[in-house]
Amino acid sequence: GESVGLHLPTLSVQEGDNSIINCAYSNSASDYFIWYKQESGKGPQFIIDIRSNMDKRQGQRVTVLLNKTVKHLSLQIAATQPGDSAVYFCAENRPSGSARQLTFGSGTQLTVLP
Amino acid sequence: DAGITQSPRHKVTETGTPVTLRCHQTENHRYMYWYRQDPGHGLRLIHYSYGVKDTDKGEVSDGYSVSRSKTEDFLLTLESATSSQTSVYFCAIRADREHSGGTRETQYFGPGTRLLVL
Repeated sequence: GESVGLHLPTLSVQEGDNSIINCAYSNSASDYFIWYKQESGKGPQFIIDIRSNMDKRQGQRVTVLLNKTVKHLSLQIAATQPGDSAVYFCAENRPSGSARQLTFGSGTQLTVLP
Repeated sequence: DAGITQSPRHKVTETGTPVTLRCHQTENHRYMYWYRQDPGHGLRLIHYSYGVKDTDKGEVSDGYSVSRSKTEDFLLTLESATSSQTSVYFCAIRADREHSGGTRETQYFGPGTRLLVL
């Protein structure tokens, strides 16, 4: 079946380095993608989103890149800080009947090392 | 946090007992969702609502029912809890975000309810 998945379940980076979290999707009808951050014991928190008519979108210290040719998106975090340690989910949003459906990947655990 | 609260935040119950989880929002959003989150799985949609008294099933709706009698509250009921329903439950609302070329619906989540069924 079609799904959203992540290449790596865990990622460890040194504080101050840049982090790159990857996500693959397989549904060509998906036209909107979201990255969420989930800290331990909390709900997912919206980070950044991108529509399929864009290749890149930047936020504060975060950048999302979308490659529709290979159905891949990535989240780049600049100058990673200890507070960035969390699980990061990508989600794809696509039309589903009369509503839009959000499908989540299983997440990548980012650990920031001192 | 999009003005979303969930109650209770933690619940321990026994198999076969009914359980109701409450989601409350303060910003008058039309769409509300219930998800469950389990190790090894992403968030999975249980039920959603697109207005008062308007609900529909999601991917994993068996064993769950929902009600929405007013805009601000969306209730999730486990009629007879089973151990397989031990999970963390998240409520979400849908809000529109402006993008070049149109709007897109984004979901914002509550803090979650951790449910243990013994």
